[in-house]
Parts: sequence; structure tokens; C-alpha cells
Amino acid sequence: QKEVEQDPGPLSVPEGAIVSLNCTYSNSAFQYFMWYRQYSRKGPELLMYTYSSGNKEDGRFTAQVDKSSKYISLFIRDSQPSDSATYLCAILKGSNYKLTFGKGTLLTVNP
Amino acid sequence: EAQVTQNPRYLITVTGKKLTVTCSQNMNHEYMSWYRQDPGLGLRQIYYSMNVEVTDKGDVPEGYKVSRKEKRNFPLILESPSPNQTSLYFCASSLFAGGTWHEQYFGSGTRLSV
Repeated sequence: QKEVEQDPGPLSVPEGAIVSLNCTYSNSAFQYFMWYRQYSRKGPELLMYTYSSGNKEDGRFTAQVDKSSKYISLFIRDSQPSDSATYLCAILKGSNYKLTFGKGTLLTVNP
Repeated sequence: EAQVTQNPRYLITVTGKKLTVTCSQNMNHEYMSWYRQDPGLGLRQIYYSMNVEVTDKGDVPEGYKVSRKEKRNFPLILESPSPNQTSLYFCASSLFAGGTWHEQYFGSGTRLSV
């Protein structure tokens, strides 16, 4: 079983929609959960990170971790065409600090 | 301005010819790392470094070497490149201090063709 699983999509939504992006992970030892956004032909940029369980909100973005079901989510409210990108989840073990990524979900927000 | 500088941006080489991709950061970050990105396989960590002279393997270290002699630089070395190392490479620098992840910046990428 892969350490991180992410549905590659693609996902296409109309402008203004609420977007839900999800990943599952296999090892309960993971402690840090990150979301990155990558525009075409650019390097990834760190959007949000959470430590352990719970929610974290930053503007239109909310990151959620459910450690009991090993499920992490990123919600985008009032999605905009500028949100069109590939979104990658990643997890980091506190014990060895190795960072493992999901394969990314390609999101298109249509005007 | 926070910056991670990778060079070169594009590189074409032949099998077996040693090459180095440089990476430099200006943020005094302790954690630096290298990744390769391939279609269908996503972003995979090659090596990472928690501090000067401290390096460790990521998920795909075979065929690569790194060194961390100074805090700002973290070069990626391919001693004998092979065609399966054709990929898009990213260097990243992270503020990971006191057991807390604070920020991370990626370079612009190096597209390598072997």
C-alpha cells in the first residue's frame, strides 16, 4: 500500500464552486500534513500545513486532517479561475523528516 | 526576497557523464531537499538535509549523491547519469525548527535529459 494516495482527477468545476481535494495515508506515525499548489511549468508552492489533527483556515482555503480515518482534505471556497492548478498533498514523519507526496490532482475552474 | 536558486534550468547530457545541479538559498534555512517529478509518478523526494553535514535518503536516492558543506548550498550530483534519470528536478528549502514546520520554498526546476 502506498504511503499517500491522491486521486489525480482531473477535476473541473464552475467558478464559485466549493472544491474538495482529498488524500489518504497509510502510516499513523505521520505528523505533518501539507498542501501545495503547482501552476503549469512552475515549482510547487506551500499553501497550508497542519500538525496532527484538526482544521486550519487561511482565507478561502481550509485544510482538514482526520487522523482516525487517515484522511486529509483541502477545501477551496468561492473557487476562482486563478485556482486552476495541480494540488499536491504531502506528509512528513516527525521521526525521520522524510517528505512524501501524493501524485497531485489537476483542478480547472471554469469562468 | 526569499529565493531558492537552481542551476542550470535545462540540461542535456549523455549517459555516464558526471553532472552537478546546484541549489542555493538565501533564507538561512536548515532543511533542504531535492525532488524529481515525473508524469504519472508525481513528486518524489531524492535526498534531504536537516543541517550542515547531515543528509539522509528520501524515497528515490539510487544514482544520486548530495553534499551539504555550507548551510546555503545543497548540490545534487549524478556520478553516472542514465536515461531513467531524465526528469524535472526541484530543490527546496524549508524552515523546520523546534520540531515545527514553518515555511518552504521551491526553486524553478531543472529539466534534465539524459
